[in-house]
Amino acid sequence: DSGVTQTPKHLITATGQRVTLRCSPRSGDLSVYWYQQSLDQGLQFLIQYYNGEERAKGNILERFSAQQFPDLHSELNLSSLELGDSALYFCASSVGFQGGEEQFFGPGTRLTVL
Amino acid sequence: SQKIEQNSEALNIQEGKTATLTCNYTNYSPAYLQWYRQDPGRGPVFLLLIRENEKEKRKERLKVTFDTTLKQSLFHITASQPADSATYLCAFRDNYGQNFVFGPGTRLSVLP
Repeated sequence: DSGVTQTPKHLITATGQRVTLRCSPRSGDLSVYWYQQSLDQGLQFLIQYYNGEERAKGNILERFSAQQFPDLHSELNLSSLELGDSALYFCASSVGFQGGEEQFFGPGTRLTVL
Repeated sequence: SQKIEQNSEALNIQEGKTATLTCNYTNYSPAYLQWYRQDPGRGPVFLLLIRENEKEKRKERLKVTFDTTLKQSLFHITASQPADSATYLCAFRDNYGQNFVFGPGTRLSVLP
């Protein structure tokens, strides 16, 4: 158990809908990262937050947004969902923000868009 | 263009042998490189980190090397066991774009 929790575990929804994925980092970790993993794309970095501020942005679509709250939990919002958004979404956390730290990954949320 | 590649999609080896996995990158200059293990349907688990000024790092049966001239990292598992069967990912932070980049992974199967 990494100490990172993600909810929900599974999500099934329809095209055009909007969903919110939730992540609670390990106790003491200030950085939260979001990744998307699909079969044909591998693990893709979406965005990083450190202590409530956006720190780095990867290949995150404009339809997607995220935030980190004062209690350090984070939410990833996916809107106008398309079939291609079906994937495993992982949240990870680390102590700092430089990037050399070990990232602890959560169990993931499996999103299926029908 | 920027690329990160891992030597093969799948690697089968016999129990007790040494598994060697390769990570190559193009048009990146990472200050460090990490290796993760991922089991099916689960999140990656951190194994080792090696910095650009380190040639080699060891942890129990694991060894990683980092050659910034060749733009390559090698990951070795000695005395491999069936429990080592998993997908292994290399990763680093792109110093310029600040993206975290993961390789496509090598699926290792250790046969008893």
